This record gives sequence, C-alpha cells and structure tokens, in this order.
Amino acid sequence: DTGVSQNPRHKITKRGQNVTFRCDPISEHNRLYWYRQTLGQGPEFLTYFQNEAQLEKSRLLSDRFSAERPKGSFSTLEIQRTEQGDSAMYLCASSLGVGEEEKLFFGSGTQLSVL
Amino acid sequence: KNEVEQSPQNLTAQEGEFITINCSYSVGISALHWLQQHPGGGIVSLFMLSSGKKKHGRLIATINIQEKHSSLHITASHPRDSAVYICAVYSSLKLTFGTGTRLTIIP
Repeated sequence: DTGVSQNPRHKITKRGQNVTFRCDPISEHNRLYWYRQTLGQGPEFLTYFQNEAQLEKSRLLSDRFSAERPKGSFSTLEIQRTEQGDSAMYLCASSLGVGEEEKLFFGSGTQLSVL
Repeated sequence: KNEVEQSPQNLTAQEGEFITINCSYSVGISALHWLQQHPGGGIVSLFMLSSGKKKHGRLIATINIQEKHSSLHITASHPRDSAVYICAVYSSLKLTFGTGTRLTIIP
C-alpha cells in the first residue's frame, strides 16, 4: 500500500491519559498536514510540516498538543492529559507540489474517543 | 463567519439529476480543492483549480477568482455519488476547509 497510513485506526482512552498517533506519508511527499474533524464539520487545520520543519500551528491547538516529524518522514501527534473535547477524527494528509499542482492525499484517520 | 462557506449543507436528489454545490470564500487563495468524503472517513481529492474550469468524467468544477466563488457540478447523478463534498482553499500555506455538503442520491 503506497498511500498515507495512519495508526491506530481507533483509540479509546480515559480522560487525563496521553495518546500518540502516527502518520506515514507517501514517501516522496514533502508536506504533511494534521487536521481534526468532528461530526458534521469539515476538517480543522492543526499543524503543517514542510519536510521536518513545523511551519505553522493552529491557534486552536493548546499546549497539550505536540507534533513532530523527525527526518521529514513519518509524523507523530501527541495529546497530553486528554479531555473529552479532544474526541474527534484526527486526519493526516501529505502532498507534493504547490498551488494547483499540489497533489493531496489523506489517510483514513485515527478516531479518538476520550471517556 | 467562516472563511469558507458551502451551500447547501444537505442535498437530496433523484438519480439522474444535475447537481450543483457552491463554495464561497473570503480570503485570497492560490488554489481551491474539491474533496469527496465517504462514510468511514476516507477523503479523496477530486479537483484542484485556480482558474477556469476542470472536467473529470461526470464531475465539473468551476472557479471565479474575482467573485471568490466555486461550483462543483455532477451530471447524471448516481447513488454512488452519495457522499460529503468538501471545498478547501489553499491560502497562507495551509488548507482551510468548508463544513461540507452532504449529498444523497436516491435510486
């Protein structure tokens, strides 16, 4: 499978626990995005990497959220001290090119449920 | 007010009908994407465009940069077209998404 891979597909955790999600982008893609989607809403931008550099982080993202992309390959998104409001689908996308030439591919997401 | 607005939010139509979904945005953009999301979460990119019109099979996307408006049309709609269609604009190095249009095509 050469698409964008996200693990795990589902995560159930108790409030206050830490969780970490992983995204493996398509290998030659230099951009990697994290989004969050709640029921009935479009995806919300969380953060974005160009290679290993984190270029932007949404103001929506509290200090409990951190993302890394070591060596510009896979990326991890960690949420510390989870809250029930963190329950959502976390989507990763990777892309190559810019503007109209940007080819964007999404992973299937990680569904987080915080109890 | 959201930077990207879509209309309608929900659309139900009979098989074979011509479908139009609209997207308006308020920021300067370098490109606009139309995406399709099926139940289960998978998102597929349908079109990326910055001017004019693109056609792929029964799907047509148009954009008017001056009016900050784009439309997605589906001709001869089919039940398998049932999905959420999302407009996303590429601005300031990131994509901003609309809330989507839920399309249901009835056989």
